[in-house]
Amino acid sequence: QKEVEQDPGPLSVPEGAIVSLNCTYSNSAFQYFMWYRQYSRKGPELLMYTYSSGNKEDGRFTAQVDKSSKYISLFIRDSQPSDSATYLCAMKYGGSQGNLIFGKGTKLSVKP
Amino acid sequence: SAVISQKPSRDICQRGTSLTIQCQVDSQVTMMFWYRQQPGQSLTLIATANQGSEATYESGFVIDKFPISRPNLTFSTLTVSNMSPEDSSIYLCSATRWGEGAEAFFGQGTRLTVV
Repeated sequence: QKEVEQDPGPLSVPEGAIVSLNCTYSNSAFQYFMWYRQYSRKGPELLMYTYSSGNKEDGRFTAQVDKSSKYISLFIRDSQPSDSATYLCAMKYGGSQGNLIFGKGTKLSVKP
Repeated sequence: SAVISQKPSRDICQRGTSLTIQCQVDSQVTMMFWYRQQPGQSLTLIATANQGSEATYESGFVIDKFPISRPNLTFSTLTVSNMSPEDSSIYLCSATRWGEGAEAFFGQGTRLTVV
């Protein structure tokens, strides 16, 4: 079992839809949870960053972490064509200065 | 945040040759990392670039194939040596500042094709 599982999609939705992206993980030592957005031929861009369990909201984006279920989500409200990108979940162990463990990424397409 | 510049952004190389990728950060950072991103795969960590000492490599990656330098707190290079078509991938530089919860920033990546 991989440490981080993410459905690669692709996911296609109409403009204005609510998008739900998810990752599951196996190691309870993960404490830091991130969502990155990656446009085609660009590097990953940090979108949301959450420590431990709970919700975090930033504009149209909401990140949720459920450590009891080892499940994280990213919700995008009122999706726009400019949201079309690959969304990568990433996690880091507590007490770690080091690297991130990534999911495979979900490719999202928002159709006008 | 930190702005990370990578050069070259893309290259097409002959098998058996080597390519050095440069990573420049606009401010001092503590940790620098090199990742590989293959189509349909997760980002995979190649190594942590340590300032003034040898890089720390992940399982499956070796110094002879991917030598790394980090002469100061803002600059690192990754060399892909004796390339084969299997090395065709996107290579990404990442950096964080000090602190357990420090955010990681990425360069735009280097798209390498080996023919």
